[in-house]
Amino acid sequence: GQNIDQPTEMTATEGAIVQINCTYQTSGFNGLFWYQQHAGEAPTFLSYNVLDGLEEKGRFSSFLSRSKGYSYLLLKELQMKDSASYLCAVRPNDYKLSFGAGTTVTVRA
Amino acid sequence: DSGVTQTPKHLITATGQRVTLRCSPRSGDLSVYWYQQSLDQGLQFLIQYYNGEERAKGNILERFSAQQFPDLHSELNLSSLELGDSALYFCASSAGQGANGYTFGSGTRLTVV
Repeated sequence: GQNIDQPTEMTATEGAIVQINCTYQTSGFNGLFWYQQHAGEAPTFLSYNVLDGLEEKGRFSSFLSRSKGYSYLLLKELQMKDSASYLCAVRPNDYKLSFGAGTTVTVRA
Repeated sequence: DSGVTQTPKHLITATGQRVTLRCSPRSGDLSVYWYQQSLDQGLQFLIQYYNGEERAKGNILERFSAQQFPDLHSELNLSSLELGDSALYFCASSAGQGANGYTFGSGTRLTVV
């Protein structure tokens, strides 16, 4: 089976940086994804890591360490619109993405 | 608009009833995935189809079934509905086997009363 852990909630101030950690134990590994989901809306793709290291995409960066079963999503220069749930998802050797329960990030003025 | 179309957006029905949720994938995408998202749970994988064939199955109840048609649209059938089936049901699609992630539809909110 798959086990994907991430914190339930995080709060940060507008303009600050927040790091969301994700640890996973899966039967095989073929990529890790981060999605953003606003309440009641569809998840939207943020980033994809399959090799160790940091992937940077504007204000968002994602890091992966396969040997540690660990990833993080870094959100810089937080804006109010970044208040959302952030989902860590792992693709094992089969075809489906397994999602963590999500981290709700609240950005305060 | 993600390109993945789900209908209906909202559905309210009584316990014991049967409903059908519909999904049209993005143009060119061959894979369709169904997920269930309840208030107290994350996205739970239900089932995947690729070009009309079932490819992977998750924790899908026997009361639920799905299929993908020749035009690649998919339907998720939920029968003998229970209160606990109330959830958001998402469909996602990908070009191949999902190596670069999925594109999600806006979901169908099912309320069983």
